[in-house]
Amino acid sequence: GAVVSQHPSRVICKSGTSVKIECRSLDFQATTMFWYRQFPKQSLMLMATSNEGSKATYEQGVEKDKFLINHASLTLSTLTVTSAHPEDSSFYICSALRQGGDGYTFGSGTRLTVV
Amino acid sequence: KQEVTQIPAALSVPEGENLVLNCSFTDSAIYNLQWFRQDPGKGLTSLLLIQSSQREQTSGRLNASLDKSSGRSTLYIAASQPGDSATYLCAVRSGGSYIPTFGRGTSLIVHP
Repeated sequence: GAVVSQHPSRVICKSGTSVKIECRSLDFQATTMFWYRQFPKQSLMLMATSNEGSKATYEQGVEKDKFLINHASLTLSTLTVTSAHPEDSSFYICSALRQGGDGYTFGSGTRLTVV
Repeated sequence: KQEVTQIPAALSVPEGENLVLNCSFTDSAIYNLQWFRQDPGKGLTSLLLIQSSQREQTSGRLNASLDKSSGRSTLYIAASQPGDSATYLCAVRSGGSYIPTFGRGTSLIVHP
């Protein structure tokens, strides 16, 4: 079955530093990957959509200079939270849409805590 | 714009009950519908994917039905177990789009 690996699962960083989260499709090629943010006991909030080899499309209200997304290959997308602040602390989840296929596969999520 | 609603928002039942979770959507021109479960602090696990041309899908104790004309899908869980406790999310992919629209989920607790 389709598997998406997301790393790290947890990260604690100091305010002002940058953090990179990786999302990798292990057994399929993903033309499109999605990045979500989830607050406690709330549903998923789509942050951006990335397509391999092109710039990400950000949802309204998401700062593209703060949340840098790179989708350099058909199996890897990264989200970098730049100059992190405590309000960026959240649960970030990626998902991937298989090339030529159906259904979405999600990573296991990253718990980011900014201190 | 597609809107997805899940009812009930929360459900607490004793072990062994058969359950029905509901998902409704406003635009019937869908490509497919997918049910997920999410455990606390975890990612989403895909349960069932129903294509727009299908009426239902089954996997073990789970059965999902789709009625496009009425804009509804139901997830049926047979003989519920404490391990079924999780949040269940419905995601609709509309025709012409590759971005899914999620419901807010049903939080299920099955107590022994």
